[in-house]
Amino acid sequence: AQSVTQLDSHVSVSEGTPVLLRCNYSSSYSPSLFWYVQHPNKGLQLLLKYTSAATLVKGINGFEAEFKKSETSFHLTKPSAHMSDAAEYFCVVTPHTGGFKTIFGAGTRLFVKA
Amino acid sequence: EPEVTQTPSHQVTQMGQEVILRCVPISNHLYFYWYRQILGQKVEFLVSFYNNEISEKSEIFDDQFSVERPDGSNFTLKIRSTKLEDSAMYFCASSEARLEQFFGPGTRLTVL
Repeated sequence: AQSVTQLDSHVSVSEGTPVLLRCNYSSSYSPSLFWYVQHPNKGLQLLLKYTSAATLVKGINGFEAEFKKSETSFHLTKPSAHMSDAAEYFCVVTPHTGGFKTIFGAGTRLFVKA
Repeated sequence: EPEVTQTPSHQVTQMGQEVILRCVPISNHLYFYWYRQILGQKVEFLVSFYNNEISEKSEIFDDQFSVERPDGSNFTLKIRSTKLEDSAMYFCASSEARLEQFFGPGTRLTVL
C-alpha cells in the first residue's frame, strides 16, 4: 500500500527566504515521487520528479527535492522564495512498477509575504 | 507546448442527471487518468486507462462511473446519475509512459 503525508498544511515565508515543504511517503513498491504545484484556478503543473535515478532532483523555477530512502522523505526546497511561488503544492507517489494508482498528499499551501 | 485540455470548465447539473466530462489528452500519450478533488480535500485517483481498457480503479469508481475513449483523441468520464457528493473538480491526466502525468485544468462539477 502507498501513502503520502505532507507534514504542514500551511507554510508562510518572507520573500527572499528559503522554502521547505515536507513530504513523507510509504510504498510497497519502488516508488516514483513527484511534486506538483497548483496556482489558484489553474491545473496541476509538474515541478519535479524522482524516478530512481539521482536522489537530488532539480525542477523548474529553482525548486529541488532530495529523495532519502532511509527517512522515507522527499522534501521540497527553494533557496529564495518569490511572490509568484505562492500556491498549493502536492507531493505525489506512484508505483514505479506494479499498479497505476497515484496517491496525492493533502497539499501544503505556501504563503509568501513581501 | 502540447497540453491536456478539458471541457467544459464548469458544469452545473441537477441531481440524478447524467454528465459527461471531456478531455483531450496529449496526442502521443498512451495512458489516461481521471482524478477528483472535492473542495477542501485531497486529489483522489479515480481510474487509469490503457490500451482501451481500465487498468486500475479506486473504490470511488463504482458502477455510476464509466470511461471511454470514443475516438482517437477524446477521453471521457461519464457519471450516470449524479449525486450531491459528486460535486468536485475533476482532473484528467495523460502520460506517455507509466510515470510523469500531465494534468488538464479541470472541470468543476456542481450538482444541485
